[in-house]
Amino acid sequence: AQSVTQLDSHVSVSEGTPVLLRCNYSSSYSPSLFWYVQHPNKGLQLLLKYTSAATLVKGINGFEAEFKKSETSFHLTKPSAHMSDAAEYFCVVSDSASGTYKYIFGTGTRLKVLA
Amino acid sequence: DVKVTQSSRYLVKRTGEKVFLECVQDMDHENMFWYRQDPGLGLRLIYFSYDVKMKEKGDIPEGYSVSREKKERFSLILESASTNQTSMYLCASSLSRGHWEQYFGPGTRLTVT
Repeated sequence: AQSVTQLDSHVSVSEGTPVLLRCNYSSSYSPSLFWYVQHPNKGLQLLLKYTSAATLVKGINGFEAEFKKSETSFHLTKPSAHMSDAAEYFCVVSDSASGTYKYIFGTGTRLKVLA
Repeated sequence: DVKVTQSSRYLVKRTGEKVFLECVQDMDHENMFWYRQDPGLGLRLIYFSYDVKMKEKGDIPEGYSVSREKKERFSLILESASTNQTSMYLCASSLSRGHWEQYFGPGTRLTVT
């Protein structure tokens, strides 16, 4: 069965310092992986996606993620945090095994940015 | 831009009431999904649909049903609301079976008292 684990439920960084949000996945198939962001009282917005092309994926707002098959990881990074990055972030793996195109969500990482 | 709208942002209902949550997408997407979001649990799939009048159970369908009479509209129904159904409900859509990216609505925060 496919699954995704977000290793930190909360992360705090100072403004201007790097951001690292960790995600590990489990999949028997070549997975499609996504990061979504949810700002307070808003829906989810796609940050970036990996679908078996380049392993380093660039997304919106300066975020990027690297697919590492050997480590089964898809960590999200940003070189310099901004106050507006404070939100909840979800790592998602697609359920390609069943062919249903369902998403399997991680439990989320809440990012706090300190002034 | 794809737009997914949900009929209410906040809803308060009593135990035992029948509750309808409506979702509409304006981009002719084939696939539509209903999730509930609870702290520490992420999003969990309730039901999804690949076509009009078609539905499939997700991971937590108990206590819910759905209706898709038109392509753009996907309704979630709580037949008899219970307090453990107090949650944030999110609707999403995607273009077709070959397209993974889902677009989400703003959510409906349902409180059952």
